[in-house]
Amino acid sequence: QKEVEQNSGPLSVPEGAIASLNCTYSDRGSQSFFWYRQYSGKSPELIMFIYSNGDKEDGRFTAQLNKASQYVSLLIRDSQPSDSATYLCAVEDSWGKLQFGAGTQVVVTP
Amino acid sequence: ETGVTQTPRHLVMGMTNKKSLKCEQHLGHNAMYWYKQSAKKPLELMFVYNFKEQTENNSVPSRFSPECPNSSHLFLHLHTLQPEDSALYLCASSQEGLVTDTQYFGPGTRLTVL
Repeated sequence: QKEVEQNSGPLSVPEGAIASLNCTYSDRGSQSFFWYRQYSGKSPELIMFIYSNGDKEDGRFTAQLNKASQYVSLLIRDSQPSDSATYLCAVEDSWGKLQFGAGTQVVVTP
Repeated sequence: ETGVTQTPRHLVMGMTNKKSLKCEQHLGHNAMYWYKQSAKKPLELMFVYNFKEQTENNSVPSRFSPECPNSSHLFLHLHTLQPEDSALYLCASSQEGLVTDTQYFGPGTRLTVL
């Protein structure tokens, strides 16, 4: 079983719509959760992190965490073509190691 | 120059070659990392250095040999690699090496092993 699972996509989203990305993890002791964005041919950059159950909003991005169900999601409101990228979910496992998912490719269509 | 830089950006090598990847961070951080990114696979953490001391080695084959002479520089020495080692090698740095620290990634070295 993979530590961190994401749908690889591509997730096609019309411009202006909400993109919803999901990530599930296997280690119930995981404490910290991160979303990275990686443009094609570029390196990952951190866009959000969340530690507590519930929602955390930052601009057009909202991270949602449900530890009981072991999933973390990322919502992108008012999606723009510049949001087209691969989004990596990363989870701090109970050993204190950061485990990455393989990423979800998002394509925002004008 | 700011941020995290890596050289070379692209490298093609034969299985018998020896080469080195270089990473330099200009952020005043104390922790540096090597990651391997293969197509459609998760980022794999290879090595972690904190204050120049190696704190993590994720069962990486000995044909990969890291070196951290100071907190600003990190090398990955390569020898007798295999074609399956072809990947994007990313360097990152963070303030203290805590998992909760934001990691800043370099642009990566695209390695092809023939």
